[in-house]
Amino acid sequence: AQKVTQAQTEISVVEKEDVTLDCVYETRDTTYYLFWYKQPPSGELVFLIRRNSFDEQNEISGRYSWNFQKSTSSFNFTITASQVVDSAVYFCALSPFPAIYSGNTGKLIFGQGTTLQVKP
Amino acid sequence: DADVTQTPRNRITKTGKRIMLECSQTKGHDRMYWYRQDPGLGLRLIYYSFDVKDINKGEISDGYSVSRQAQAKFSLSLESAIPNQTALYFCATRQGQGSSGELFFGEGSRLTVL
Repeated sequence: AQKVTQAQTEISVVEKEDVTLDCVYETRDTTYYLFWYKQPPSGELVFLIRRNSFDEQNEISGRYSWNFQKSTSSFNFTITASQVVDSAVYFCALSPFPAIYSGNTGKLIFGQGTTLQVKP
Repeated sequence: DADVTQTPRNRITKTGKRIMLECSQTKGHDRMYWYRQDPGLGLRLIYYSFDVKDINKGEISDGYSVSRQAQAKFSLSLESAIPNQTALYFCATRQGQGSSGELFFGEGSRLTVL
């Protein structure tokens, strides 16, 4: 079975603090994709990053960074020097690697989401 | 204009009414999905379609039906709405084989069933 767990339901920080959002996944597949999406108060889902299971290099994009560790089945997301505009619900998601498995639905399996509140 | 468009964006209805949520896309993707978002539960898959003649149930399809009228259009229907179908609904698209895997979402349709 495939599953994504975001154990932190809500996190509240003060602006300029660093914050890490945890994501733990379960899958029997040897190849898969992991994603993070952001949902601001306006409600739309904004794609942040895609990482395939072959690539365990950490990635940094501005104030955002991602730590992928296959050994612990985790794909954590860190925001450095948080800002009020970072306040949102963040979703981690898992998907089988497409074009390899017959019958692969291509669906994303989402975690429950973590609500981040950044206070001024 | 958005690549994935959902209508209506907001709808309030009464128990027992039939409701249709529509989704259209300009990305040319063959795969389309309907998800439902509830607080604390994340997004759960209702139905998905690989092409016009290929429609599949997701994990929570009971009480819902879908129609893939064309490659670009995928509608979700609630034949007889009930209050626990109050949720935020998202349509999404994805390219088929060989794609990089990203789902592209519509802006969401908020449905309230009284």
